[in-house]
Amino acid sequence: GENVEQHPSTLSVQEGDSAVIKCTYSDSASNYFPWYKQELGKRPQLIIDIRSNVGEKKDQRIAVTLNKTAKHFSLHITETQPEDSAVYFCAAKPGGSYIPTFGRGTSLIVHP
Amino acid sequence: SQTIHQWPATLVQPVGSPLSLECTVEGTSNPNLYWYRQAAGRGLQLLFYSVGIGQISSEVPQNLSASRPQDRQFILSSKKLLLSDSGFYLCAWSYGTGTDTGELFFGEGSRLTVL
Repeated sequence: GENVEQHPSTLSVQEGDSAVIKCTYSDSASNYFPWYKQELGKRPQLIIDIRSNVGEKKDQRIAVTLNKTAKHFSLHITETQPEDSAVYFCAAKPGGSYIPTFGRGTSLIVHP
Repeated sequence: SQTIHQWPATLVQPVGSPLSLECTVEGTSNPNLYWYRQAAGRGLQLLFYSVGIGQISSEVPQNLSASRPQDRQFILSSKKLLLSDSGFYLCAWSYGTGTDTGELFFGEGSRLTVL
């Protein structure tokens, strides 16, 4: 089955800095890669996703890149703000599967 | 628009007592339904998923069970709770086959404390 590794487990940055979270996956059949943000005590919510026919996708301060050859994808947050502080989960889902495999999460702390 | 409701939001139960968490989805038909558990400071553990009424797949052997009595209703149960069942339980749905966007839509969660 699919295996997703996520790093780092904790990331501390100063407000205004950039943050990068990296994930690797094992199943070459995976073709959907979502990123979820979970604020303390709240539900995870999708912030951006990418499919395997695209190498990069941006949405304002957030971008995701995908390298299918190397089987890794990354989340980039620019100009971080305190409200970006949360746990971020990456996931990978093979085509035809109902089940995304999640990484273990990254706790992002943005210091004012 | 689609919405997901999950309840209760918080509950404190003694060891050995039963459990019932309920989740309903509105605004879509034949959704895929999921139950996840999140221990404190940990990741998302998939417990059960269902692709149709009466179809339940279990990912982790344990004293929990799930049922889907109606298309948009998913119930998580236990006959006797263990201390290790404490955690944050999340119901989620995704579009069924034919319109597979892949995104999971999570409920607001149920925080269970077993004492």
